[in-house]
Amino acid sequence: KAGVTQTPRYLIKTRGQQVTLSCSPISGHRSVSWYQQTPGQGLQFLFEYFSETQRNKGNFPGRFSGRQFSNSRSEMNVSTLELGDSALYLCASRSGPNTGELFFGEGSRLTVL
Amino acid sequence: AQSVSQHNHHVILSEAASLELGCNYSYGGTVNLFWYVQYPGQHLQLLLKYFSGDPLVKGIKGFEAEFIKSKFSFNLRKPSVQWSDTAEYFCAVEFNTGNQFYFGTGTSLTVIP
Repeated sequence: KAGVTQTPRYLIKTRGQQVTLSCSPISGHRSVSWYQQTPGQGLQFLFEYFSETQRNKGNFPGRFSGRQFSNSRSEMNVSTLELGDSALYLCASRSGPNTGELFFGEGSRLTVL
Repeated sequence: AQSVSQHNHHVILSEAASLELGCNYSYGGTVNLFWYVQYPGQHLQLLLKYFSGDPLVKGIKGFEAEFIKSKFSFNLRKPSVQWSDTAEYFCAVEFNTGNQFYFGTGTSLTVIP
């Protein structure tokens, strides 16, 4: 079956702009998590959604937001972009909370100029 | 606060050498433990996981890991590395409180032919 799909794969924005990233989980998976990956920092947890509800939220400013739709697809939005937001944004899915490992997409690489 | 530590940031080995990557986590009750690998240009993939039972778990490609509860550790091992093992390795812990995944900062492994 198809894996986790993230779009777009690459994007370039300028400071102050906003960006929306999309994630389609594996069919049947209802839990979607988002991570920010930067060199030296590893994966930093942004938020997790399950059945359209945010279950957990990481320690990121309010400029980072997300949502999940009834078909389990998820989006994350970053407003008022800063240079430090340049990173690989990863989406991961699984059946539900406490149901095993996360399955990752290939990520959306955001560059902020 | 819950956290995961990977002590080796960069490891360089010759082919056929043995590998051990350290992973420690903060106390947080019951945990599920994972090692993920990210090959250059690819998405994160699961190497192995531990939920319960035998503390020595075997994963793909000859990797294994041992859970030592008293030391809050889950070290990854491979008896003989290959050039194709060059990748970044991430330890992840799911604490039972909230079922959120915490990742270490990763270890970059370079295997020299």
